Amino acid sequence: DIVMTQTPLSLPVTLGQPASISCRSSHSLVHADGNTYLSWFHQRPGQPPRLLFYMIFNRFSGVPDRFSGSGAGTEFTLKISRVEVEDVGIYYCLQATQFPWTFGQGTKVEIK
Amino acid sequence: EEQMVETGGGLIQPGGSLRLSCVASGFIVSSTYMTWVRQVPGKGLEWVSVIYNDGSTFYAHSVRGRFTISRDISKNTVYLQMNSLRAEDTAVYYCARGHCSGGICYNNPDHWGQGTLVTVSS
Repeated sequence: DIVMTQTPLSLPVTLGQPASISCRSSHSLVHADGNTYLSWFHQRPGQPPRLLFYMIFNRFSGVPDRFSGSGAGTEFTLKISRVEVEDVGIYYCLQATQFPWTFGQGTKVEIK
Repeated sequence: EEQMVETGGGLIQPGGSLRLSCVASGFIVSSTYMTWVRQVPGKGLEWVSVIYNDGSTFYAHSVRGRFTISRDISKNTVYLQMNSLRAEDTAVYYCARGHCSGGICYNNPDHWGQGTLVTVSS
């Protein structure tokens, strides 16, 4: 199985400052079809996850442009250019290149 | 508006069975793929199963042979039949829709239901 490792697991941030979350996979996420099925989700307390990015850097509908996704192969990054209050919660990466699909452990973002 | 509502959760004894339902509205379940993801309260997300529009299914190792995903197109509903339940199956179970756009389906869910809690305990 592909293991997804996120760092850090906890990220205290100052409002208006940038934040960055890393997601590393144990194997390359490049699929045989040439695509890389790495997506990012945000979950607020008591809510289901919400899709942020798919195929590394494709922003989903309604996601603010202060968020960006990048990376390739086994190393991926989610960045927030200026953290806002609504950004608190837990961020997960998901690989769907190979079954079983696997999530990272989650990174909890909170305001300092 | 696309929406999924999960039902069927509850308290069940170890070894018992439950069937979860995911009723979809605003889209047709057979036009995309549907997946189940679970989350132990306070913990991370775990993918459980997926059913594609051609009917093919895949499962996590931890549930293969015990859980079965299926769908009823006439009811626009996806099911998760869970047998031989264990304490470690205790979790909130989310139904999520596959992300398809412009005739292309991507390997990631987009919209999620609110989830239904399954508690396996004696």
